[in-house]
Amino acid sequence: GIQVEQSPPDLILQEGANSTLRCNFSDSVNNLQWFHQNPWGQLINLFYIPSGTKQNGRLSATTVATERYSLLYISSSQTTDSGVYFCALETSGSRLTFGEGTQLTVNP
Amino acid sequence: DGGITQSPKYLFRKEGQNVTLSCEQNLNHDAMYWYRQDPGQGLRLIYYSQIVNDFQKGDIAEGYSVSREKKESFPLTVTSAQKNPTAFYLCASSMSGGPGEQFFGPGTRLTVL
Repeated sequence: GIQVEQSPPDLILQEGANSTLRCNFSDSVNNLQWFHQNPWGQLINLFYIPSGTKQNGRLSATTVATERYSLLYISSSQTTDSGVYFCALETSGSRLTFGEGTQLTVNP
Repeated sequence: DGGITQSPKYLFRKEGQNVTLSCEQNLNHDAMYWYRQDPGQGLRLIYYSQIVNDFQKGDIAEGYSVSREKKESFPLTVTSAQKNPTAFYLCASSMSGGPGEQFFGPGTRLTVL
């Protein structure tokens, strides 16, 4: 099956800093999603981005499908950005395969 | 309010007992999914259903069963055959069974004592 690798596994920032999270994958994809899992476990949809670039406030994402990677940018980080960020890929049959996540901690 | 609800939020059961987790959606989505998350790990697919009265096994279906009798409901039963049932269970839905954005419920934390 498809392999999904996220990096870095852990990231600690000071409030106001910028960061880039990376998701590498081993096969072509129909769908790529970025999620933020908050401390209560809720998965919040950030981006649905099988290709191209999207922006939503301080967050943006870019997927280069031909090179099999996606990047999530967080600018001017806030303490509420803390949590785990997952990328998930759909290859066929609407099944999502998740990476192991990046644990982000933003300190005040 | 449209969304996905899961109940209960926390569930405790004795070893050897079957338990059923509820998932309901009012988004009029055709497809529904069950995932399992263990501490420090990503989600893994248990079962999914692209249409009423049909469902398929995911990557870790052993010890679980599902039904899809109504479009809005997709209950998951954790049977006594599941060797390590303690985990966080998340339900999701998407508009159709093809490529499309999935949305998640708040999850159920199951602890087997």
